[in-house]
Amino acid sequence: EAGVAQSPRYKIIEKRQSVAFWCNPISGHATLYWYQQILGQGPKLLIQFQNNGVVDDSQLPKDRFSAERLKGVDSTLKIQPAKLEDSAVYLCASSFDRGNQPQHFGDGTRLSIL
Amino acid sequence: GQQLNQSPQSMFIQEGEDVSMNCTSSSIFNTWLWYKQDPGEGPVLLIALYKAGELTSNGRLTAQFGITRKDSFLNISASIPSDVGIYFCAGQLREYGNKLVFGAGTILRVKS
Repeated sequence: EAGVAQSPRYKIIEKRQSVAFWCNPISGHATLYWYQQILGQGPKLLIQFQNNGVVDDSQLPKDRFSAERLKGVDSTLKIQPAKLEDSAVYLCASSFDRGNQPQHFGDGTRLSIL
Repeated sequence: GQQLNQSPQSMFIQEGEDVSMNCTSSSIFNTWLWYKQDPGEGPVLLIALYKAGELTSNGRLTAQFGITRKDSFLNISASIPSDVGIYFCAGQLREYGNKLVFGAGTILRVKS
């Protein structure tokens, strides 16, 4: 079974620029999550999708972050404009459904803001 | 909001030693999970615990879901060099949409 795919693996941008990350979940997984992991911390949930609908975006800084999952499969996360404190690893995870099914993580995109 | 306190922050042990780490919270959880993260990779699920008091093993790893539902521990027996990495506990609560709340991690280093 193929795992969660994320791209790019690394991204370096200057502050105030825009950036987008892509995630392809495990086939058949209805629930998709985006996490932010700052160095030295555990992942923090940004947004959760169930198919193409948003379930929880309470911790997403909506003034600069946006995410979509238009066809209920792939998802993109965008930051516009980026701030220095957005430097982090952005992890995508998927699970079969919204219950307590295990979440499987991709390898993340490491974002550095100069 | 919910917070998990994970300890110790880091450990540097001799190969062959046993390791113990734990996680506590002021909130109760329905599920406790333990993940391992290697450098440059995403977290990988090691053990999931679904019931208070549950004790579960996965090879040399053993984890328990505390009776109060507010804590969990992970033990690794006879550590080997490939055990090196960061171990995260995570809690899930149905009432919060099964959102995962992570601890800050325990960094494990092994001397061979």
